[in-house]
Amino acid sequence: GESVGLHLPTLSVQEGDNSIINCAYSNSASDYFIWYKQESGKGPQFIIDIRSNMDKRQGQRVTVLLNKTVKHLSLQIAATQPGDSAVYFCAENYQGAQKLVFGQGTRLTINP
Amino acid sequence: NAGVMQNPRHLVRRRGQEARLRCSPMKGHSHVYWYRQLPEEGLKFMVYLQKENIIDESGMPKERFSAEFPKEGPSILRIQQVVRGDSAAYFCASSPTPRWDISTEAFFGQGTRLTVV
Repeated sequence: GESVGLHLPTLSVQEGDNSIINCAYSNSASDYFIWYKQESGKGPQFIIDIRSNMDKRQGQRVTVLLNKTVKHLSLQIAATQPGDSAVYFCAENYQGAQKLVFGQGTRLTINP
Repeated sequence: NAGVMQNPRHLVRRRGQEARLRCSPMKGHSHVYWYRQLPEEGLKFMVYLQKENIIDESGMPKERFSAEFPKEGPSILRIQQVVRGDSAAYFCASSPTPRWDISTEAFFGQGTRLTVV
């Protein structure tokens, strides 16, 4: 499944399928990006990060892709599990500055 | 090593009262950030503090909001004369470094959910 959108889009996938969550960031000068997972009632949890000198980075079951030309990030989650159900946010940062600028988020729901 | 501790987890205040939100950073972390999250939205930066210093408060509303991070004790976000629009989740994060891109050890707390009635 794949989601795009600007207003907290919702993505529903079957357990075991791959998920792709997209994010359009705002500042072409941003050079560091983070994906966070936020479960209901909890704080954001770091998933994976990527610097602007890379276009792909892989973690455990997750891959982040960065396309600087169109200011686009994606998070791919392989073999989704029920525990992956959450809201996912991308965040951008410029030269380590104090502010992280968060996108609006995508709600991922895993169907059994 | 306990994570970032925020209390209370839930806070209900009547309009016009004061709200005090506390954030105890992780051990060894001297950099604290406060963010606000409205329902169905991302987090918005409010303020960045180091011990006894406010470094960047560009995201703080000009009135009624203040923050401190004393030499001893937790960081406090204070909201005076609360209004319904202040209802939100308030998160703090702490870090051992001033830069987000150096350390992946910056962690967020579980947040305080403020409801103004």
